[in-house]
Amino acid sequence: QKEVEQDPGPLSVPEGAIVSLNCTYSNSAFQYFMWYRQYSRKGPELLMYTYSSGNKEDGRFTAQVDKSSKYISLFIRDSQPSDSATYLCAMSVSGGTSYGKLTFGQGTILTVHP
Amino acid sequence: DAMVIQNPRYQVTQFGKPVTLSCSQTLNHNVMYWYQQKSSQAPKLLFHYYDKDFNNEADTPDNFQSRRPNTSFCFLDIRSPGLGDAAMYLCATSRDQVTGEQYFGPGTRLTVT
Repeated sequence: QKEVEQDPGPLSVPEGAIVSLNCTYSNSAFQYFMWYRQYSRKGPELLMYTYSSGNKEDGRFTAQVDKSSKYISLFIRDSQPSDSATYLCAMSVSGGTSYGKLTFGQGTILTVHP
Repeated sequence: DAMVIQNPRYQVTQFGKPVTLSCSQTLNHNVMYWYQQKSSQAPKLLFHYYDKDFNNEADTPDNFQSRRPNTSFCFLDIRSPGLGDAAMYLCATSRDQVTGEQYFGPGTRLTVT
């Protein structure tokens, strides 16, 4: 079993839809949670960064972390064709010998069609 | 704008011919990472530097080496590229080793012929 599980999709939605992307994980030591967006043939771009449980909102994006369920989500409201990309969840253990090492999900391919 | 820059963006090399990829950053971050990403896969950490301290992942092949001559620059050397080394190579930086908040460059796509 992988430490981080993410549905690879692909996910196709119409413009304006609410998109929900999810990851589950098994390592209870993870404390930092991130979502990256990666366009084709480009490097990952940090979208959202959350410490421990709770919600964080940034414009059309909301990240949720539920440590009790070991489950994180990214919601995209009013999705746009420019949101079409691969979304990677990533998480890390705090300090110690982990040196901020990220454990990634497999990525979900999202297409928003006009 | 502060950023992570990678050169070249595309690199073609021959089987067995050494190649060097470069990364520079203007974020003044202490930590620099090198990742390998193959098609439809998540990035795989190869190694990282915290300042000048080098840390190799256990499963990184000996064929891959790295140098960090100063805070701003880091290089990835592939001594004898094989066909299986064709991939996107990503450089990332982080302010510290605690949070995992990493900022990636645009990547170098390596083709091995």
